[in-house]
Amino acid sequence: DIVMTQSPDSLAVSLGERATINCKSSQSVLSSANNKNYLSWFQQKPGQPPKTLISAASTRESGVPDRFSGSGSGTDFTLTISSLQAEDVAIYYCQQYHTGPITFGQGSRLEIK
Amino acid sequence: QIQLVQSGAEVKTPGASVRVSCKPSGYTFTNYAINWVRQVPGQSLEWLGCINVGNGNTEYSQKFQDRVTILRDTFANTAYVEVTSLRSEDTAVYFCVRGSGPGSWRFDHWGQGTLVTVSS
Repeated sequence: DIVMTQSPDSLAVSLGERATINCKSSQSVLSSANNKNYLSWFQQKPGQPPKTLISAASTRESGVPDRFSGSGSGTDFTLTISSLQAEDVAIYYCQQYHTGPITFGQGSRLEIK
Repeated sequence: QIQLVQSGAEVKTPGASVRVSCKPSGYTFTNYAINWVRQVPGQSLEWLGCINVGNGNTEYSQKFQDRVTILRDTFANTAYVEVTSLRSEDTAVYFCVRGSGPGSWRFDHWGQGTLVTVSS
């Protein structure tokens, strides 16, 4: 199975500042067929289901604010929140959907400093 | 708008089975896959498997393929996951998630989740 490892496990960032979460996969999730990275990011707030933020490493879902961005390729990926808002407090998960079984990172908890 | 509405919470005893339903609306049911994911309280997410709703083909995580069955009823526009031989470690919230195409593992819309509690 592909192991997804996120860092840090938790972080505290001041309102308006940048937040960065990293995700590393144990194998490449870049498809040679179409040159797309099969990597998604999800946001989960307490008591709610996860919400899809980004897929294909950098494509924002409809309605997701543009302060959220994804980057990276192959095995190393980053989720960046450019200017942290209070409503961004959540746990963030990365996920690979390149090779079965689909696997998720352990989650990164984002709080306000 | 697109919604996936799941059935209510369940309490089961060890060794029993459970079936959770997922009824989507706002799109053509047979044009997209349904994936099932679970989350043990306080932990990350685990993929159970998925179904191509159009042709009924299924794929399972090897970890769960002996105890999990994913079904769909195209007349009722509903997908299901069944878990047999329940044990306490199966206590979790179970989510259905739409795949962005017929056999897609790329997740877009999530159900609200169904808590399954296994306790004697």
